[in-house]
Amino acid sequence: GENVEQHPSTLSVQEGDSAVIKCTYSDSASNYFPWYKQELGKRPQLIIDIRSNVGEKKDQRIAVTLNKTAKHFSLHITETQPEDSAVYFCAASNSGAGSYQLTFGKGTKLSVIP
Amino acid sequence: NAGVTQTPKFQVLKTGQSMTLQCAQDMNHNSMYWYRQDPGMGLRLIYYSASEGTTDKGEVPNGYNVSRLNKREFSLRLESAAPSQTSVYFCASSDRRLALRNEQFFGPGTRLTVL
Repeated sequence: GENVEQHPSTLSVQEGDSAVIKCTYSDSASNYFPWYKQELGKRPQLIIDIRSNVGEKKDQRIAVTLNKTAKHFSLHITETQPEDSAVYFCAASNSGAGSYQLTFGKGTKLSVIP
Repeated sequence: NAGVTQTPKFQVLKTGQSMTLQCAQDMNHNSMYWYRQDPGMGLRLIYYSASEGTTDKGEVPNGYNVSRLNKREFSLRLESAAPSQTSVYFCASSDRRLALRNEQFFGPGTRLTVL
């Protein structure tokens, strides 16, 4: 089955700096890569996703890049703000195979220091 | 439109007791999922239901059973609770008609403690 590794497990940045979280996956058939944000005590919520036919996607201050050859993808947050503090999870899925499972990384706790 | 709802929000059980966690969605989604979340372990899939009438095991199914009662509802049952099942449980749903996109919408979670 799919295995997703996520690094780092914790990340502290100064407000205004950029943050980068990296994930690798094992199944070359995976074709859908979402990122979820989970604030303390809340449910995970999708913030951005990318499909395997796209190399990069941006949405305001967040962006995701995908390298299919190396089987890794990254989340980039620019101009970080205190409200970006949360746990971020990457995930991978082979949605074309009739399977609807997401395999999640173990999460990165991001702390933005004012 | 409530999205995905779960009951109860909190529960304390004694070892050996049984209970059922309830989940319902009002988005007309085909697929539903149960995850557990433990510190440092991310979200691990317990069981999922790709469509009404089907259920499949995920990564950590031992000690659990599920029922897809209808398209809206998917319940998770612990027949004989153990301390290792202390966790936060999330239900999620997705619309498989979104062919190449499997965005999952999560419920608010159930915090379960087994003493």
